[in-house]
Amino acid sequence: SQQGEEDPQALSIQEGENATMNCSYKTSINNLQWYRQNSGRGLVHLILIRSNEREKHSGRLRVTLDTSKKSSSLLITASRAADTASYFCATVPGDYNQGGKLIFGQGTELSVKP
Amino acid sequence: KAGVTQTPRYLIKTRGQQVTLSCSPISGHRSVSWYQQTPGQGLQFLFEYFSETQRNKGNFPGRFSGRQFSNSRSEMNVSTLELGDSALYLCASSSTRASTRNEQFFGPGTRLTVL
Repeated sequence: SQQGEEDPQALSIQEGENATMNCSYKTSINNLQWYRQNSGRGLVHLILIRSNEREKHSGRLRVTLDTSKKSSSLLITASRAADTASYFCATVPGDYNQGGKLIFGQGTELSVKP
Repeated sequence: KAGVTQTPRYLIKTRGQQVTLSCSPISGHRSVSWYQQTPGQGLQFLFEYFSETQRNKGNFPGRFSGRQFSNSRSEMNVSTLELGDSALYLCASSSTRASTRNEQFFGPGTRLTVL
């Protein structure tokens, strides 16, 4: 079963605008990761935030994590048409010591219009 | 370094047949995980291998199996195919023993269609 719930399911914006996607999860986590997928192809890792971190930046990406609310958000600033893709949050359960699995949300489909 | 490669990229099978998918991780990566992606169920974890041993398994029937070779290449097999097995099968590799503590690198996937 999916742990992550993403909101919104679809988002359409103009180039230059900011895009915010939200992710909620149910159980304790070790870390939360965001991935991008273009047109049913492979996933590309964007950013990882650990459970003891509250905010992380990478280029035009900003991720926040609120473990008390079991939620995370991904902000893409100054969006470009090339950002059009599906975005997934994935959590790693807190009780895994070594390996384990990524538990994915249903994803947000972002469309950036030129 | 070459990325994660998956073969074949596309596959069409009929119900009742079996299929084997292959994944070659990034050189030096010893952890390989498999995921199934469908429109209805989204991305679901199948299993993870590390140093030829299955470390974790998702909630899939026994028709789904896998293995990993000494060179870290991995295969997954689906026997007695059902229509619902139509999906994009993704594999991911990681460089560390604690595979989910760091980013995973995904291949382009194998698109399986069951008729």
